[in-house]
Amino acid sequence: NAGVTQTPKFQVLKTGQSMTLQCAQDMNHEYMSWYRQDPGMGLRLIHYSVGAGITDQGEVPNGYNVSRSTTEDFPLRLLSAAPSQTSVYFCASSSRATGASYEQFFGPGTRLTVL
Amino acid sequence: AQSVTQLGSHVSVSEGALVLLRCNYSSSVPPYLFWYVQYPNQGLQLLLKYTSAATLVKGINGFEAEFKKSETSFHLTKPSAHMSDAAEYFCAVRPPVGGTSYGKLTFGQGTILTVHP
Repeated sequence: NAGVTQTPKFQVLKTGQSMTLQCAQDMNHEYMSWYRQDPGMGLRLIHYSVGAGITDQGEVPNGYNVSRSTTEDFPLRLLSAAPSQTSVYFCASSSRATGASYEQFFGPGTRLTVL
Repeated sequence: AQSVTQLGSHVSVSEGALVLLRCNYSSSVPPYLFWYVQYPNQGLQLLLKYTSAATLVKGINGFEAEFKKSETSFHLTKPSAHMSDAAEYFCAVRPPVGGTSYGKLTFGQGTILTVHP
């Protein structure tokens, strides 16, 4: 199993550009989440999904869109990039199959800079 | 709403010394609690988790944490620090009830651990 994979690893955008951060998992996990990590703020939940076709907002959803057409993939779209979206983005997945705690498995992250 | 507070954004210890990273949570019922470690330029790796089976939880790399309901705490400890323990550590909480909470973690601010020779 590759686990949770994310592409690209690094990205530089100009203000106003759009892009999609890719996330895929091969563990057949039903739950997937996107977090952003900023210094001194820990990780904050952007959007999450409880299964294909079902998504919901997290703590900081503004400026981001998600969709989940398959169990494996959960892309995060930046509609019009702003410097405030400069951050490291992590995708995670979890499942009842891993135990009652629904432990989350994280991808390696995407480091995004918006100029 | 759940919340997590990590006391001390930076902790510095000498190699061989005790490591103590503090985490307090806010929850009306005992939640699931996690400690994750992040090495430089890497993702998050699970160190250990509390699932109500035992209050003292042992994790990887010699770390352990004790759940104390009366103090709403879940502090992370290691008896003897090693240089390779230098990293950022995150405490996280998830509500015990089901529904959509299964996909959501609330994280603390993180604690950067520095280990001196």
